[in-house]
Amino acid sequence: KAGVTQTPRYLIKTRGQQVTLSCSPISGHRSVSWYQQTPGQGLQFLFEYFSETQRNKGNFPGRFSGRQFSNSRSEMNVSTLELGDSALYLCASSSVGGIEETQYFGPGTRLLVL
Amino acid sequence: SQQGEEDPQALSIQEGENATMNCSYKTSINNLQWYRQNSGRGLVHLILIRSNEREKHSGRLRVTLDTSKKSSSLLITASRAADTASYFCATDLASNNNDMRFGAGTRLTVKP
Repeated sequence: KAGVTQTPRYLIKTRGQQVTLSCSPISGHRSVSWYQQTPGQGLQFLFEYFSETQRNKGNFPGRFSGRQFSNSRSEMNVSTLELGDSALYLCASSSVGGIEETQYFGPGTRLLVL
Repeated sequence: SQQGEEDPQALSIQEGENATMNCSYKTSINNLQWYRQNSGRGLVHLILIRSNEREKHSGRLRVTLDTSKKSSSLLITASRAADTASYFCATDLASNNNDMRFGAGTRLTVKP
């Protein structure tokens, strides 16, 4: 099976702009989670989608949103970008997001906000 | 906010030596997982240990879990240069099983 893919891999934006990142989970996986990784805060959970519904949400402002499509592909949107949004954004997929399931991570999208 | 804290933050050893990394966490968990990340790329799952398990092995990896101390350790035996990476522990909170919390990671350098 192909792994989790994320596009684009690198992105440069300026403050105030908005950005959309895409994640294609492993075929058959229905749970997609998003994480932000920064040197200062480490890896932080953004949200999780399952069957087109947001099932869990981390402690991020409303500027961070997402959605999931019927084919389980997910997009994450950040509006009104701030310098502090520069980070590696990782998505991970699992079959149903169960307690003991392994999450499979994509390579990430590196976002730089200038 | 981070749940796990890895210790040490950085570790440098010679090839062939063993590497031990520790992780402490704050609240009750369902399970704890260890991941590896190479140079700011995606994470690779290494091993999962359930809250009712004390020790688990996978190849050169040995993980222990002490729920009374809320801590875990990852031992890599006979390290190789290819083991150079950052290692993270992640906890699956007992109260919210789809919200994984990661520690800050241990940066391991294995010198050839």
